[in-house]
Amino acid sequence: EAEVAQSPRYKITEKSQAVAFWCDPISGHATLYWYRQILGQGPELLVQFQDESVVDDSQLPKDRFSAERLKGVDSTLKIQPAELGDSAMYLCASSRLRGRDEKLFFGSGTQLSVL
Amino acid sequence: QQQVKQSPQSLIVQKGGISIINCAYENTAFDYFPWYQQFPGKGPALLIAIRPDVSEKKEGRFTISFNKSAKQFSLHIMDSQPGDSATYFCAASSEDTNAGKSTFGDGTTLTVKP
Repeated sequence: EAEVAQSPRYKITEKSQAVAFWCDPISGHATLYWYRQILGQGPELLVQFQDESVVDDSQLPKDRFSAERLKGVDSTLKIQPAELGDSAMYLCASSRLRGRDEKLFFGSGTQLSVL
Repeated sequence: QQQVKQSPQSLIVQKGGISIINCAYENTAFDYFPWYQQFPGKGPALLIAIRPDVSEKKEGRFTISFNKSAKQFSLHIMDSQPGDSATYFCAASSEDTNAGKSTFGDGTTLTVKP
């Protein structure tokens, strides 16, 4: 079965540095999501793309976070500058369509540690 | 305001036993309730899901029970196996949202002892 690819798997950075995460969704999936998952909690949606367009970034801390999906395929999430509180797992997911019962396919995530 | 409350936070079950995880929701607009399974170092994977027009859905050893009037739903894992040891998340979404905007519970860490 096709998988959502994410890299890097782990990232350690110092506060105030910039970090970037990459996601390649399953081929043909128009909808892409970035989540933040804090240890002991469920995933929290940061941003949602439909093709190359952002359809929901209401939970994205826009002063330091940015996301793009320029050609409607792979996507990059950036944090600049990183803060201690940003330490978390960053998950990418994709789905074929945007319906409420669409199956989400998650990647294995990037574990970020900010020192 | 947490709209989906999940319990227990952790659960230890003997091999062959029944694991039960409960979720309660507040938003009556929710009408799709998936459960996700997450192994360490992996992203969540959809396990089973239910709509409120049925009270129970079974897939293999996994069963969702749904009580619309109580606004509660639960996951039952029959004949639990050590390979079922993982974190389980319930979620909920509504017609005016989509699966990606599901509200997730905080998860239950299940340990099945051999």
